[in-house]
Amino acid sequence: GEDVEQSLFLSVREGDSSVINCTYTDSSSTYLYWYKQEPGAGLQLLTYIFSNMDMKQDQRLTVLLNKKDKHLSLRIADTQTGDSAIYFCATGGYNKLIFGAGTRLAVHP
Amino acid sequence: GAVVSQHPSRVICKSGTSVKIECRSLDFQATTMFWYRQFPKQSLMLMATSNEGSKATYEQGVEKDKFLINHASLTLSTLTVTSAHPEDSSFYICSASIQTEAFFGQGTRLTVV
Repeated sequence: GEDVEQSLFLSVREGDSSVINCTYTDSSSTYLYWYKQEPGAGLQLLTYIFSNMDMKQDQRLTVLLNKKDKHLSLRIADTQTGDSAIYFCATGGYNKLIFGAGTRLAVHP
Repeated sequence: GAVVSQHPSRVICKSGTSVKIECRSLDFQATTMFWYRQFPKQSLMLMATSNEGSKATYEQGVEKDKFLINHASLTLSTLTVTSAHPEDSSFYICSASIQTEAFFGQGTRLTVV
């Protein structure tokens, strides 16, 4: 079946950029998503990219898609302590998402 | 964006009892809602697709008699965990979709003691 993989943990210094990586297997995915989950909370959609795009920028967030390598990344510029959370990569159609295990981002002073 | 409300946010129940979780789309109609389960430090796994006015579609390995789903209206889907056991303790999240986006409820932390 489809699979989405992410590294489990990332630690960055406040003010630096964070890059969270994701690889996936389903080449038929129409959209690819990044969600943020804060402790005990549901998921918040951060951004998504259509599969025929290779980059999308939204304020501090930059999404890069390498469709050939099935690699998706999320870059957070000027990372703040409020960015500490778990970030999930998800692929598929909007009505049936396949999630990665999530990357825990820790931001330290 | 659209709002999906899930209730309760946290519930503790005794083993053998049943628990109902509600998922409501507050400002839009959702013909389809989705129920996910998240184990500690793991990803979300789709349990079932809830279709308004018809039976839910369950993913492989999910017991439909244990996890009862009812989608009685365009704004409400319920998940009932029947005869709960400690291994059912988990974080359950619902979602509903509009066009390209899926909106998630706040989640329900179920603890079975």
